[in-house]
Amino acid sequence: NAGVTQTPKFQVLKTGQSMTLQCAQDMNHEYMSWYRQDPGMGLRLIHYSVGAGITDQGEVPNGYNVSRSTTEDFPLRLLSAAPSQTSVYFCASSPLGVSYGYTFGSGTRLTVV
Amino acid sequence: GEDVEQSLFLSVREGDSSVINCTYTDSSSTYLYWYKQEPGAGLQLLTYIFSNMDMKQDQRLTVLLNKKDKHLSLRIADTQTGDSAIYFCAETYSGGSNYKLTFGKGTLLTVNP
Repeated sequence: NAGVTQTPKFQVLKTGQSMTLQCAQDMNHEYMSWYRQDPGMGLRLIHYSVGAGITDQGEVPNGYNVSRSTTEDFPLRLLSAAPSQTSVYFCASSPLGVSYGYTFGSGTRLTVV
Repeated sequence: GEDVEQSLFLSVREGDSSVINCTYTDSSSTYLYWYKQEPGAGLQLLTYIFSNMDMKQDQRLTVLLNKKDKHLSLRIADTQTGDSAIYFCAETYSGGSNYKLTFGKGTLLTVNP
């Protein structure tokens, strides 16, 4: 049981490049979400999904796209990377209807130069 | 809207007790959580408490909830160097669904030998 798997663990991008951060879970969780973590800012919600085909914006969605074609996968796309997107990105999942908290991935550290 | 606040830093000596505090604004919160984040890792759920409880104990961890003051605390007994980490308080927001969590900015606990 792998839980929540994020790839890659580290990435360096040049300004203007695009890329996709991958997130996969094998727990059949309906809810999946993406957070970014910045020093002194805590965790900020980027996008979330309550099931395949359903996505919604969080607190800081600008510059990011998501899709949810399967229950297992929830990729985060950076359309045109900017230095302000340098951050650590976490994917999290949970079942709907229960409140036992989220299962987090180990994170992707992204640097945009 | 919902908000969760924590002090940013706490330093204790090994063997002492640590108390990490959190305040929240949503009086209708149904679940409250404590997460631990070790350096370079994702967030790990430590414990959670239902809003109809006043206290929950789990080995060295004691969670106290004061609903009147909207105050949550995490006490770690016999603190060890391995407890050094960032601790996040989180709540569910009753205005949404029970799968949406709001996180505080985190308290960095430093345990000195």
